[in-house]
Amino acid sequence: QQQVKQSPQSLIVQKGGISIINCAYENTAFDYFPWYQQFPGKGPALLIAIRPDVSEKKEGRFTISFNKSAKQFSLHIMDSQPGDSATYFCAASNNAGNMLTFGGGTRLMVKP
Amino acid sequence: EPEVTQTPSHQVTQMGQEVILRCVPISNHLYFYWYRQILGQKVEFLVSFYNNEISEKSEIFDDQFSVERPDGSNFTLKIRSTKLEDSAMYFCASSPGQGGTGELFFGEGSRLTVL
Repeated sequence: QQQVKQSPQSLIVQKGGISIINCAYENTAFDYFPWYQQFPGKGPALLIAIRPDVSEKKEGRFTISFNKSAKQFSLHIMDSQPGDSATYFCAASNNAGNMLTFGGGTRLMVKP
Repeated sequence: EPEVTQTPSHQVTQMGQEVILRCVPISNHLYFYWYRQILGQKVEFLVSFYNNEISEKSEIFDDQFSVERPDGSNFTLKIRSTKLEDSAMYFCASSPGQGGTGELFFGEGSRLTVL
């Protein structure tokens, strides 16, 4: 019940395209849903996060869509750039982020 | 920009040996964490630490593991008797507030290889 399932495992997108990564969770007590970006050899870095009281949050080219009834949330990267090529992890927590449960990760490659 | 620093960046050890991984969290942060990432797999929570004691720990964090804040700046993870399956990247993180009220900042990780 603590699992967060992420798909796809890998994604190839052309420059300028939209990258979409999906996550699903079971634990209805989760109340904080961040997305992390990880470049090779680096630690995860917070990209954007959402709480279940809103259905969408946008920051620049990055948007989280949240569907509480379906227990799903997704990351959309608009106008994808080669510099966006990285591994993206969704995560969830049920106590304001103290103990994050990560999804399996999506390796995104944006082709020039 | 302040950052979480970790040492060593890579450590190779023999099975059964003790290992200490060190972290210097961001100076005004109050919550400290260790996560690990086995090669090619997801990031997994190990332990959180606040006010000089463990606040939460996962099933992975068994008696082989311990954490300590020996002084005002360092935060360490000790693995008493390493096993092959402890080989992973270990990430330290810190936050000013509890999770969602304060972003987790991760270090670059310490790669542990157990032979």
